[in-house]
Amino acid sequence: EAGVVQSPRYKIIEKKQPVAFWCNPISGHNTLYWYLQNLGQGPELLIRYENEEAVDDSQLPKDRFSAERLKGVDSTLKIQPAELGDSAVYLCASSLGRGGGQFFGPGTRLTVL
Amino acid sequence: AQSVAQPEDQVNVAEGNPLTVKCTYSVSGNPYLFWYVQYPNRGLQFLLKYITGDNLVKGSYGFEAEFNKSQTSFHLKKPSALVSDSALYFCAVRDRVGGKLIFGQGTELSVKP
Repeated sequence: EAGVVQSPRYKIIEKKQPVAFWCNPISGHNTLYWYLQNLGQGPELLIRYENEEAVDDSQLPKDRFSAERLKGVDSTLKIQPAELGDSAVYLCASSLGRGGGQFFGPGTRLTVL
Repeated sequence: AQSVAQPEDQVNVAEGNPLTVKCTYSVSGNPYLFWYVQYPNRGLQFLLKYITGDNLVKGSYGFEAEFNKSQTSFHLKKPSALVSDSALYFCAVRDRVGGKLIFGQGTELSVKP
């Protein structure tokens, strides 16, 4: 069974440019999470989806970040415009319901120059 | 607010010796506790969890963790460390309302031959 798939694995952009990350969760997992992991720290939740509905986006900086999960399967996280401080690893995870174990993808490492 | 703390940034162990990676938690009510491992350039991998029941939880790769309610701790242990256990270890507590994971800052485990 395939795990959580994320692309790209690495992205280097200049500040003020837009960037998008894609995540395909494990088949059948209706709950999807986007986490931000800064260097030397644990991941922090950005947004959680139950199917296509964003049920917890309190930590998402909505002035520049947006996310969507239109059909309740794969999801895209976007930053526009990117800032130097956005350099981090963006992790996607999925679970079978909010109480299920969370399985993480390999992450996208973003570098903003 | 729920939180976990990992008091050691780094733990060094000789191969074959027992290892302990410490974690303490602060939650209201009964905690749902997890340990994840992260290898370089890879996503987080689930090791084990405590929901209820026996205080000693066994997980993947020979790891186990002991839940201690009086000390509010959930230390990760392994009787005999391997060089391949060298990685970054995260303790986490699951928010009982929203389901998100709240991570500690991580502990770098280094196992030397």
